[in-house]
Amino acid sequence: GAGVSQSPRYKVAKRGQDVALRCDPISGHVSLFWYQQALGQGPEFLTYFQNEAQLDKSGLPSDRFFAERPEGSVSTLKIQRTQQEDSAVYLCASSLVFSGGPIGELFFGEGSRLTVL
Amino acid sequence: AQSVAQPEDQVNVAEGNPLTVKCTYSVSGNPYLFWYVQYPNRGLQFLLKYITGDNLVKGSYGFEAEFNKSQTSFHLKKPSALVSDSALYFCAVRDGNNFNKFYFGSGTKLNVKP
Repeated sequence: GAGVSQSPRYKVAKRGQDVALRCDPISGHVSLFWYQQALGQGPEFLTYFQNEAQLDKSGLPSDRFFAERPEGSVSTLKIQRTQQEDSAVYLCASSLVFSGGPIGELFFGEGSRLTVL
Repeated sequence: AQSVAQPEDQVNVAEGNPLTVKCTYSVSGNPYLFWYVQYPNRGLQFLLKYITGDNLVKGSYGFEAEFNKSQTSFHLKKPSALVSDSALYFCAVRDGNNFNKFYFGSGTKLNVKP
């Protein structure tokens, strides 16, 4: 597709359930990022992939959060045993360039809004 | 530590008037600065960036931003605001030591009144 696609757009989960959020980046984009945006706040970095390699996961808030990009394209962010504090919009972004390369901007998807009851 | 501050939660301006949305930053190494806009229930859209060169950067939709190294600022400007410019604006800085990370401000809501 022409842009970054995320699904589902909205997800309601009961506390303790596992959720999976999908990101389909722009074709050919090497870099893929996940960000968490709490209500009224700016996005906060979660993790970064260069192709299939997860080069930085320093922003993941706990070991309940897991991300993968097995074939270097589509990525999935998984949250196990969801808690109310996980409620946020999860944004995926992709970029043509990679770490150390030219400083490229990010292209964001519309986000997946997670509400944990 | 890298950080971005947007001191105004909200900016109100009349259509046709100039607008400024403020941003200051703290970064180690060279600053790589960005502005993004977010419309309701949408993802962030890139407006413009400063990497190097001229301090005045021109971007999409008539927006521009002025980089001021001595004041560590990167204010977003537009000479004549439109009602359709009403949205949430985020300033971001890319980590000078870790290109993988962008740090975003908390956002400024721009209201342009007819």
